[in-house]
Amino acid sequence: AQSVTQLGSHVSVSEGALVLLRCNYSSSVPPYLFWYVQYPNQGLQLLLKYTSAATLVKGINGFEAEFKKSETSFHLTKPSAHMSDAAEYFCAVRMGLGNDMRFGAGTRLTVKP
Amino acid sequence: GAGVSQSPSNKVTEKGKDVELRCDPISGHTALYWYRQSLGQGLEFLIYFQGNSAPDKSGLPSDRFSAERTGGSVSTLTIQRTQQEDSAVYLCASSLEENTEAFFGQGTRLTVV
Repeated sequence: AQSVTQLGSHVSVSEGALVLLRCNYSSSVPPYLFWYVQYPNQGLQLLLKYTSAATLVKGINGFEAEFKKSETSFHLTKPSAHMSDAAEYFCAVRMGLGNDMRFGAGTRLTVKP
Repeated sequence: GAGVSQSPSNKVTEKGKDVELRCDPISGHTALYWYRQSLGQGLEFLIYFQGNSAPDKSGLPSDRFSAERTGGSVSTLTIQRTQQEDSAVYLCASSLEENTEAFFGQGTRLTVV
């Protein structure tokens, strides 16, 4: 079975501060891992993905995530938050090609001026 | 098409009526997913189609929900005898078999009154 847990349904940071959104997964096989972002009144778009190449993955808009097998984690970070980063962020896991994709409950990021 | 297309974008229906939601995936994508996003909730997996394989229906919440995919392309999600708890945004996504990430449509916002 595969599942995804996102710790913290709401995260609030000040503009310029570090963003850290947590994601832990469970999978019986090496997974594919993703972060998606949903801006207000928009559809989901891919931020970045891990597909068993480099463990540190860089995505769009300055975001990156590190796959840590020992911790079964795939936390999303950004060194300096921008007001435009305010959105809902979803972590997802896919247990190999040919399998479906399961999502976490999401984390709403608020950026304070 | 250029992206995943869903129709209608909004649907208001009376309790007890049947509704059909349509998804046009990206041309050539063999995998198609349906998810449900309720207010303040994450993405709930509903059903997954992969090529000619039998669909994974494990996420459908009740037998009032069904989906089909004709000719390996367009998919229709049908909800019979709608209930107020069915109100949500229904998201469709598609992906290439040999790729990993899913591309999402804008969703259909269903309101049952």
